[in-house]
Amino acid sequence: DIQMTQSPSSVSASVGDRVTITCRAGQGVSRWLAWYQQKPGKAPRLLIYAASTLQSGVPSRFWGSGSGTEFTLTISNLQPEDFGTYYCQQGDGLPRTFGQGTHLEIK
Amino acid sequence: QVQLQQSGPGLVRPSQTLSLTCVISGDSVSSNSVAWNWIRQSPSRGLEWLGRTYYRSKWYNDYAEYMKGRISVSPDTSQNQFSLQLNFVTPEDTAVYYCAREVIGEKYSSWYDPWGQGTQVTVSS
Repeated sequence: DIQMTQSPSSVSASVGDRVTITCRAGQGVSRWLAWYQQKPGKAPRLLIYAASTLQSGVPSRFWGSGSGTEFTLTISNLQPEDFGTYYCQQGDGLPRTFGQGTHLEIK
Repeated sequence: QVQLQQSGPGLVRPSQTLSLTCVISGDSVSSNSVAWNWIRQSPSRGLEWLGRTYYRSKWYNDYAEYMKGRISVSPDTSQNQFSLQLNFVTPEDTAVYYCAREVIGEKYSSWYDPWGQGTQVTVSS
C-alpha cells in the first residue's frame, strides 16, 4: 500500500492568513492526488483532485500543487469557515490510501 | 446532484454481521464510469478503504486485502443502492462507516465524491 504522510498534524492561523499543508507519498503517484475537508460530525468533502483541479463550488482561495511524491494544499485569505481537518488521498495505486489528516484551527 | 443516503444499525454484537445500505440518487449503481465504495474512519486507524462494487458490462468487486473473507459489497439495481456486509465483527471494527462514489479520471485515477452522511457503528456486547 502507498503510505501518505501529511504535515503538519495541526496548525493554528488567523483570518486572512495563508496556510500550507504538505502531503508526501511513499512512492510516486504522478498527479493523482485529492484533497478533502472534513468538519466535526460530517463526511469528508472533495476540494481538489488531480493535484490542482478545483472541485465545482469550492472557493478559489483553495489551491493545490505538486506531482510525484510531494504535494501541497494552500489556503489563502483564510476564512472562519475553513476550520476542520484536511486529508490527502492518492488516486494512483490500489488500494487508495489517505493521509492521517491536518487539523486546522482558526485563532 | 448526486446524493448518498446511508442506513443501518449503530450497534452490532461481537461475532455478528454488520450490514449497511447506501441509497443512490442522481446517479445509477449500474453506471459504467464510476464505482461504489465503503470507507471507514476511526481515531486509531484514520480513513480506511474497505471495498467497492462497479459495473463494466458485468459486476466486479474489490476488497481491502485485510478484509477478504469477511466482507461483501453488493449492488441492488432494483433499488438503486448498494450494501456492505462485514462478518464476525470485533470491537476493532468500531468506526464511522461511509459510502462514497468513486469518480474515475485519467489513467484510472480516482477520487471520492460525494460521500454518504456516515454511520457510527459500535461493536459491543
